[in-house]
Amino acid sequence: DTGVSQNPRHKITKRGQNVTFRCDPISEHNRLYWYRQTLGQGPEFLTYFQNEAQLEKSRLLSDRFSAERPKGSFSTLEIQRTEQGDSAMYLCASRGTGGTDTQYFGPGTRLTVL
Amino acid sequence: GQQVMQIPQYQHVQEGEDFTTYCNSSTTLSNIQWYKQRPGGHPVFLIQLVKSGEVKKQKRLTFQFGEAKKNSSLHITATQTTDVGTYFCAGCRVYGNKLVFGAGTILRVKS
Repeated sequence: DTGVSQNPRHKITKRGQNVTFRCDPISEHNRLYWYRQTLGQGPEFLTYFQNEAQLEKSRLLSDRFSAERPKGSFSTLEIQRTEQGDSAMYLCASRGTGGTDTQYFGPGTRLTVL
Repeated sequence: GQQVMQIPQYQHVQEGEDFTTYCNSSTTLSNIQWYKQRPGGHPVFLIQLVKSGEVKKQKRLTFQFGEAKKNSSLHITATQTTDVGTYFCAGCRVYGNKLVFGAGTILRVKS
């Protein structure tokens, strides 16, 4: 257990529905990352927060995707009008302010879009 | 954009044999990290390499970072069944920035 928690762990939804995932990072970590992982691939970067500021977004993050970190603590990732291609594991990672780049991953939310 | 290639994609070894996975970046890296992901699990941090030519060891695992800071390798001596999983390298081009992961090498160990 890295101390990063994600909810829900599994989500099954129908195409066209909206879904929201939550990530609670390690409490003293100010940096938070979202990644997406599909079968047989490594995690792909989606977006990055430092405190409440969203500093970088991947081109993978279409306009149907939005992420927030309103108080610089937990973060949410929302997918609107889900498509079957959105089916993947959504991973959250947090990182502290020290000199290391180590990112601690949460258990992920597995999304299945029917 | 930055790409990280990892080979082989898959390796099946007999317990006690050695294993090596290689990682190559299209761009010079600030640092490279290695992660292990067990089946059904999430990536777990193993190590970070920062300096050109750096070599680090963790028990039976040896990690190397190339002189040009564009390639890296992970070598496991005398594999055990507990080594089973997917090993990912992840490159960081700018300090504190996002990680770009390779596709991973799946290791299976037959006892």
